[in-house]
Amino acid sequence: GIQVEQSPPDLILQEGANSTLRCNFSDSVNNLQWFHQNPWGQLINLFYIPSGTKQNGRLSATTVATERYSLLYISSSQTTDSGVYFCAVVHNYGQNFVFGPGTRLSVLP
Amino acid sequence: DGGITQSPKYLFRKEGQNVTLSCEQNLNHDAMYWYRQDPGQGLRLIYYSQIVNDFQKGDIAEGYSVSREKKESFPLTVTSAQKNPTAFYLCASSISSPYNSPLHFGNGTRLTVT
Repeated sequence: GIQVEQSPPDLILQEGANSTLRCNFSDSVNNLQWFHQNPWGQLINLFYIPSGTKQNGRLSATTVATERYSLLYISSSQTTDSGVYFCAVVHNYGQNFVFGPGTRLSVLP
Repeated sequence: DGGITQSPKYLFRKEGQNVTLSCEQNLNHDAMYWYRQDPGQGLRLIYYSQIVNDFQKGDIAEGYSVSREKKESFPLTVTSAQKNPTAFYLCASSISSPYNSPLHFGNGTRLTVT
């Protein structure tokens, strides 16, 4: 099956810093989503982005499907950005989302 | 507001008992999913259903069962055959096939079996 890798596994930032999270996948995908899991376990949709670039406030994402990666940018980070960020993809020949292992982000005040 | 409701938020059971987790959605989505998350880990697919009265096993279906009698409901039963049932369980839905529609999640149920 398709392999999904995320880097870095852990990231610690000071409030106000910028960061880039990366998601690599091993084969062609039809679909890609970024999620934020807050400390209470709630999974929040950030971006539905099979290709191209999208922005939502301080967050933006870019997927380059032909090169099999996606990037999530967080600017001017806030303590509420803390949590785990997951990338999930649907393989061209698959039937369901496959999740990466996540990047755990801690933003310090 | 439309959404996915999982209940209860916390559930405690004795070993050897079956337990059923509820998942209801009012988004009019065709597809529904159950995921399991262990501490510090990613999400693994237990079962999914693309239409009413039909469901398929995911990657870790052993020890679990589901039903899809109504479009809006997809309950998960954790049976006594599941060897390590303590985990965080997340229900999700999508408008149609995951090929071209995003996943939406409920808030999860934390199950503890002792």
